[in-house]
Amino acid sequence: DTGVSQDPRHKITKRGQNVTFRCDPISEHNRLYWYRQTLGQGPEFLTYFQNEAQLEKSRLLSDRFSAERPKGSFSTLEIQRTEQGDSAMYLCASSLIRFQTGADTQYFGPGTRLTVL
Amino acid sequence: GQQVMQIPQYQHVQEGEDFTTYCNSSTTLSNIQWYKQRPGGHPVFLIQLVKSGEVKKQKRLTFQFGEAKKNSSLHITATQTTDVGTYFCNYGGSQGNLIFGKGTKLSVKP
Repeated sequence: DTGVSQDPRHKITKRGQNVTFRCDPISEHNRLYWYRQTLGQGPEFLTYFQNEAQLEKSRLLSDRFSAERPKGSFSTLEIQRTEQGDSAMYLCASSLIRFQTGADTQYFGPGTRLTVL
Repeated sequence: GQQVMQIPQYQHVQEGEDFTTYCNSSTTLSNIQWYKQRPGGHPVFLIQLVKSGEVKKQKRLTFQFGEAKKNSSLHITATQTTDVGTYFCNYGGSQGNLIFGKGTKLSVKP
């Protein structure tokens, strides 16, 4: 399977614990995005990378959230001191930027569903 | 700021009936993309529309981009139970991210 993969698929944690999610994008893609989706809502943008550089972070991404893409390949999203409000599906998407015409085609992974008890 | 509204929020149809969802923007869009998310699944890219007045077809799905590039529609002919899911129209944010609305949730009664 050469699509976007995410690990783990499900995570249950207690409030106050730290969690880390991993995303492996499609291999030739240079952009990687993180989104968060809660029930009944569309995905909300969190942050994105072009190669290894983190180019933008949403105001939704509090100081407890950090993301890395150390070698421009896979990415990790860490949430420190989790809160119940962090419970959501965390989606990763990747794309290949060829030219700037606005949004490019993004391919989503299956997501990591986080439940904070 | 730029806002895109999608209607209806929910649509229930009998299998075989047609279905249409509409996106309307307050400002001109450079492009618009459509995604489908099945229940419990992740968004899957359907199509991107770039040109004014563009019409594209994928089997039973017809996508249109308005002449003013402020509205778009997705029409499904003769719905099937496999069409169930939420359909999102998205446009690009300033960082290249996709701006999702709430989408249109389609249910199909067999």
